Formats: sequence, C-alpha cells, structure tokens
Amino acid sequence: AQSVTQPDIHITVSEGASLELRCNYSYGATPYLFWYVQSPGQGLQLLLKYFSGDTLVQGIKGFEAEFKRSQSSFNLRKPSVHWSDAAEYFCAVEKTSYDKVIFGPGTSLSVIP
Amino acid sequence: GAVVSQHPSRVICKSGTSVKIECRSLDFQATTMFWYRQFPKKSLMLMATSNEGSKATYEQGVEKDKFLINHASLTLSTLTVTSAHPEDSSFYICSAARVGGRGQPQHFGDGTRLSIL
Repeated sequence: AQSVTQPDIHITVSEGASLELRCNYSYGATPYLFWYVQSPGQGLQLLLKYFSGDTLVQGIKGFEAEFKRSQSSFNLRKPSVHWSDAAEYFCAVEKTSYDKVIFGPGTSLSVIP
Repeated sequence: GAVVSQHPSRVICKSGTSVKIECRSLDFQATTMFWYRQFPKKSLMLMATSNEGSKATYEQGVEKDKFLINHASLTLSTLTVTSAHPEDSSFYICSAARVGGRGQPQHFGDGTRLSIL
C-alpha cells in the first residue's frame, strides 16, 4: 500500500537559517508528489508539485523540493526561513490523476526570531 | 485560478443534530471529489471518494451511514454528518479533481470546523 513518511515530527529553526523537511514515499511507480502548508486553523495551501521532468521543483514562498527516485524521497528546502513560515507541512502523494491523495503525518515547523 | 468553496467554515451544534457540509467547485467541473478528516495536530485522513452520479466509496473504518455523501452534480458534493456526537468534532476538508485535468493537482477547500457540544 502507498504510504508517506515524514521522519521529523517537529523542527525548530532560527529565522534566516536554512530548512530541509524530509519526505519518503512507498510506491512501486513514481506518483505525483506534493508539499502543502497549513497554518493553525486554516486550510491547505499548495507549495509545489512534481509530476515529471526536472527533478528540482520550484514553488511559492521561496520553497523548492528535489525528487530523488533512487531514495524515494521528495525533500522540501528553503535557503532562509522567515518567521511567517512557522506552520504544519504535509508531504503528499497521488498515484494517478483523479486518485486519492495520501498525506504524510506532517512536520510542525517553529521559527525562533 | 481554480477555487473550491466549502461551506460552512465553522459550525457548532448540539449532540444529535445532523450537519451538512457543502463542497463546490466554482470554476471547473469535478467528476471526483474527496472528503478528508483531520483531528487536532494530526494529518488528513481520507474518508471517502465522491463520484458524480454514483455511490461514494468509503475508506475502511468510515461509517457510511454516519457520513452520508451525495455528489449530485459536477460542481457540488455534500457530506452530511448524521446524528452528530462530540466524537465527530473535527476539521473536515474536501478536494476536487478537475475533469480533463490529468496531471493537475486537486484543489482543496478551506475546510469546515465542526464542534459538537
């Protein structure tokens, strides 16, 4: 069965520091891959997606993610974190179009001023 | 861009009440919509897949008689929590897949926070 793991439940970084959030998926083929962000009490916002092509994907708010097929990973990165980036981050996979989206457990990001 | 509207955004009601949540795709047609539930500080768990004109497909462990889903048109799916109890309190989010939108991400609503007293 498909699964998504995010090894880090909670991460704390200082403002201005770099960030990497890890995501691994388990699926025979390459699924569609996503990163979403959720602020407290809010809905989901799509940061970026990977369907095919260039394995380094640029998203909104200065985020990027790199798909590594050999490692079944899709890690999210940001070179310099802002206090407003504090939120919950979810990695997600979709097997094919119109299929259900499977979410990882999430990583809670705290930013120290 | 594509927008999915979810209504109401928040509802508080007494135990035993049935609550209906609407999920509308505002500027595209969606043959498939999904309903997710999120417990506090937890991830989103898929409850069911809603297909226009046919019965919903429920995930294991989800009571179909408790969570009634109707996808009557290509732009509207509804989730009705019947005879809601405090344990049904949660954050419910829908998503919609655009017809002909292969290779496009699904669009999520802003969620409905349900509180049962």
